[in-house]
Amino acid sequence: NAGVTQTPKFRILKIGQSMTLQCTQDMNHNYMYWYRQDPGMGLKLIYYSVGAGITDKGEVPNGYNVSRSTTEDFPLRLELAAPSQTSVYFCASSYLGQGPSGANVLTFGAGSRLTVL
Amino acid sequence: AQSVTQPDIHITVSEGASLELRCNYSYGATPYLFWYVQSPGQGLQLLLKYFSGDTLVQGIKGFEAEFKRSQSSFNLRKPSVHWSDAAEYFCAVGETPNSGYALNFGKGTSLLVTP
Repeated sequence: NAGVTQTPKFRILKIGQSMTLQCTQDMNHNYMYWYRQDPGMGLKLIYYSVGAGITDKGEVPNGYNVSRSTTEDFPLRLELAAPSQTSVYFCASSYLGQGPSGANVLTFGAGSRLTVL
Repeated sequence: AQSVTQPDIHITVSEGASLELRCNYSYGATPYLFWYVQSPGQGLQLLLKYFSGDTLVQGIKGFEAEFKRSQSSFNLRKPSVHWSDAAEYFCAVGETPNSGYALNFGKGTSLLVTP
């Protein structure tokens, strides 16, 4: 059981380039999330999705876009990369099947480290 | 919005000594509370969680945490630390349905274990 898989693990971008961080989960979770982690700042929510076709902004959505065409996949797109987007990105998922307590138990991927130069 | 405060950025503990990591939250109702651990270069792993009931919660790797409503705290403890416990520890509070049940994280506490 793979859980939450993120690709790539590392990437270097030039300012102004675009790229997509891939996230897929095989646990049939309906909720998926993207967080970014910066040193000393904890994790900040970028976007989340409560099911296929439904996405919403989190705390720090500017400069990012997401889509959720299937239950399994939740890609994060960076348009016009900026140095401020240098960070470690984590995808996570959870299952709202037995009430809020289950939905809050997030399973995380291993992360994608992005550097924008 | 709910918030989580981890007052200690860094903590150093000798191997075999006891450990307590502090976490305070602000939330009107009874929160869902979590502790996650992140080893270097890895993702986050759930240590334990509190939803309701017994205020002393047992987790994996010998960790426990106690929910104290009067102090708005959810401190993480371990009676005897092992070198492999060196990692970053995050306290988190569960958000409401309006935020898709996302977790709101503290800034983390980095644990260093000395011989």
